[in-house]
Amino acid sequence: GAGVSQTPSNKVTEKGKYVELRCDPISGHTALYWYRQSLGQGPEFLIYFQGTGAADDSGLPNDRFFAVRPEGSVSTLKIQRTERGDSAVYLCASSLSPDQPQHFGDGTRLSIL
Amino acid sequence: AQSVSQHNHHVILSEAASLELGCNYSYGGTVNLFWYVQYPGQHLQLLLKYFSGDPLVKGIKGFEAEFIKSKFSFNLRKPSVQWSDTAEYFCAVNDWAGTASKLTFGTGTRLQVTL
Repeated sequence: GAGVSQTPSNKVTEKGKYVELRCDPISGHTALYWYRQSLGQGPEFLIYFQGTGAADDSGLPNDRFFAVRPEGSVSTLKIQRTERGDSAVYLCASSLSPDQPQHFGDGTRLSIL
Repeated sequence: AQSVSQHNHHVILSEAASLELGCNYSYGGTVNLFWYVQYPGQHLQLLLKYFSGDPLVKGIKGFEAEFIKSKFSFNLRKPSVQWSDTAEYFCAVNDWAGTASKLTFGTGTRLQVTL
């Protein structure tokens, strides 16, 4: 079966632009997570969805970052007024439920010029 | 806040050597512990997990890890590494907050196995 799918795989944009990153979780997985991984670091938690609602958004760095999951499946991470410091690999993961292991996608490599 | 320390940033071993990668976490309550592996060009994959029960857990590809609660440690071991084990290894802890769940990762250990 298909794993977690993330698009695009790479995104290059200019500072100040708006970007959207998409995550398609494994079918049937109700829990969905976004992480950010900077060079030389482990993934850092951004936000967690249980169904359609954001159960924990404590990792979002500021109000330029927003994520939605309107139908409880696909999620979109949105970044406004991008800054060079937003450059990183953005990872999405999903799990059957919060107490089950998370399955990761390949990530989107975001580069802000 | 929860934190995870991986003290070995880069490890180089010859094939057939034994491996031990250290992982320590800070949270004193009930934890779920994980090791993830990222092979070159691939996504993070679960290597093994500890939820409860026997503190010695076995994972895929001959890896095992031991949970020592008194030391807040969850070290990863393999008796004899192979060239194909070259990858980055991440230790992670499940950080519960109410009904939510998130993973806190260490900074990773890059393992290079030489022939």
